[in-house]
Amino acid sequence: DTGVSQDPRHKITKRGQNVTFRCDPISEHNRLYWYRQTLGQGPEFLTYFQNEAQLEKSRLLSDRFSAERPKGSFSTLEIQRTEQGDSAMYLCASSLAGAGGTYEQYFGPGTRLTVT
Amino acid sequence: GENVEQHPSTLSVQEGDSAVIKCTYSDSASNYFPWYKQELGKRPQLIIDIRSNVGEKKDQRIAVTLNKTAKHFSLHITETQPEDSAVYFCAASWTGANNLFFGTGTRLTVIP
Repeated sequence: DTGVSQDPRHKITKRGQNVTFRCDPISEHNRLYWYRQTLGQGPEFLTYFQNEAQLEKSRLLSDRFSAERPKGSFSTLEIQRTEQGDSAMYLCASSLAGAGGTYEQYFGPGTRLTVT
Repeated sequence: GENVEQHPSTLSVQEGDSAVIKCTYSDSASNYFPWYKQELGKRPQLIIDIRSNVGEKKDQRIAVTLNKTAKHFSLHITETQPEDSAVYFCAASWTGANNLFFGTGTRLTVIP
């Protein structure tokens, strides 16, 4: 499968625990994005990487959230001290960006987080 | 920042009829407008997009139109089929932007 993949697909955790999600983008894509989607809403931007550099973070990304893309390939999103309000679908997307401007973003299947 | 509004929130059509979903955006700098289809429990799938240098784009049964003056764009699906049933999201962005701004989605149901 050459698409964007995410792991795990589902995660149930207790409030206060830490969780980590992984995203593997399309191999030649240099940009990687994290979005959060709650029921009945469109995806909301959290952060993005160009290669290994994290270049932008949304105000939605509190201090409890951290993301990395250490070698410019896969990325991890960690949530510390989870809260019930963190329950959502976490989507990863990737794109090939260049001098020409905005390029198509392709999404992974998401990780559904439930905080109990 | 950009604000994208999408209507209607739900839409039911008979198989074979057409469906139209409309979006408006607020930032005149936006110049890229993709549409995503999301089936239950699945990933958002890019189905068509349009850039501001064109007014209309077609791909088989789907088309998107863009009115930059009025800041709105629409998705048109003709000859709808039951497999078109899904939630459709519009989005907007601009050259140099780092993320897509999504609408709230339209749940389309095609009745056989």
